[in-house]
Amino acid sequence: EADIYQTPRYLVIGTGKKITLECSQTMGHDKMYWYQQDPGMELHLIHYSYGVNSTEKGDLSSESTVSRIRTEHFPLTLESARPSHTSQYLCASSRHGGETQYFGPGTRLLVL
Amino acid sequence: QQPVQSPQAVILREGEDAVINCSSSKALYSVHWYRQKHGEAPVFLMILLKGGEQKGHEKISASFNEKKQQSSLYLTASQLSYSGTYFCGTEVERGSTLGRLYFGRGTQLTVWP
Repeated sequence: EADIYQTPRYLVIGTGKKITLECSQTMGHDKMYWYQQDPGMELHLIHYSYGVNSTEKGDLSSESTVSRIRTEHFPLTLESARPSHTSQYLCASSRHGGETQYFGPGTRLLVL
Repeated sequence: QQPVQSPQAVILREGEDAVINCSSSKALYSVHWYRQKHGEAPVFLMILLKGGEQKGHEKISASFNEKKQQSSLYLTASQLSYSGTYFCGTEVERGSTLGRLYFGRGTQLTVWP
């Protein structure tokens, strides 16, 4: 069973606020990913990491930033939330690139 | 580089069969299939590797046509629990994108009693 956690599960916040979405995994996986998913749409990769101190931007342009200081932790930060950031954010991890990705339960973000 | 899935939606009666297709314009190394139920995280179903065999999991199986860069997911004798959105994730040849996946838009499957 996959052990990957995301908090908060739901977040409603006003425009201009700074937010951090947390993602943790206890599987010791090197690879971690952040996806953005709108209802009925595909998953868009916004950030990924191959290991500690290694982060890359994905396909979808995002104003968010990420950090990977510890293997198990991959937080995503929005410095100033806007209504266009309203979406679901899914975190995933895999042992190696190309292997099975295990997903967290997601954070549903609503920016008013 | 996103794969194309078809159909977009399927409605079935319990016990009926369904096929979901995933095709890519790029050469593929592997295809991953996931199912996501409403409000939940995507759950891994199976992976098909280039040169590998057709996979199966109970009444859900999949194939990978390397020449056409296509994969198909077969659901036989569908059960109510099969309802959800099915995503394929494709990995292009390793070395070029270091194993990341590109996901399709998903196929929404609804099974009625």
